Amino acid sequence: DVKVTQSSRYLVKRTGEKVFLECVQDMDHENMFWYRQDPGLGLRLIYFSYDVKMKEKGDIPEGYSVSREKKERFSLILESASTNQTSMYLCASSITGVNTEAFFGQGTRLTVV
Amino acid sequence: GENVEQHPSTLSVQEGDSAVIKCTYSDSASNYFPWYKQELGKGPQLIIDIRSNVGEKKDQRIAVTLNKTAKHFSLHITETQPEDSAVYFCAAVSNYQLIWGAGTKLIIKP
Repeated sequence: DVKVTQSSRYLVKRTGEKVFLECVQDMDHENMFWYRQDPGLGLRLIYFSYDVKMKEKGDIPEGYSVSREKKERFSLILESASTNQTSMYLCASSITGVNTEAFFGQGTRLTVV
Repeated sequence: GENVEQHPSTLSVQEGDSAVIKCTYSDSASNYFPWYKQELGKGPQLIIDIRSNVGEKKDQRIAVTLNKTAKHFSLHITETQPEDSAVYFCAAVSNYQLIWGAGTKLIIKP
């Protein structure tokens, strides 16, 4: 079975801190995604990557950056955390593009105080 | 850009009854429509999907229908069971991205 693992289930950070969310997948998938999930808004795409060292902006990239140095690992970085970035963050991977099944991690609940 | 609307936001049905969740989309070029189920404390998981060249697809108690003319698609769950309780999301592909509905919380009453 495909496994997508996010490094933390819960995180509490202070305003202005630099925050790293890590995601690892074990199925050699080309594509990896970072979503943000907020009640009533569904999932919104922050960034995605279709290859090592490649990245593309999603719908809401402001305040975030990403890193993909290895195929299996995709990191989301909050350069200077703010309270409006308090949310559930979901990482996903897929074999090819968005027309195929995405496999999700369990999510990281981030609270910025 | 694409907009996906999902209704209802909450659906409560008696165990054994059917549940229907509906989504509409705006981009006529959309050609892939997945449905994901998210259980408490977990990430979403694909339960069924449909492509634009098909009008209906079934998998045991779950079915999805697609009306491309009207630009809407629906998830049908028959003989609902307690384990069907979850949040369900529809999505549509537009401009190489998945655009998600807001989600439906399905509650199965015993």
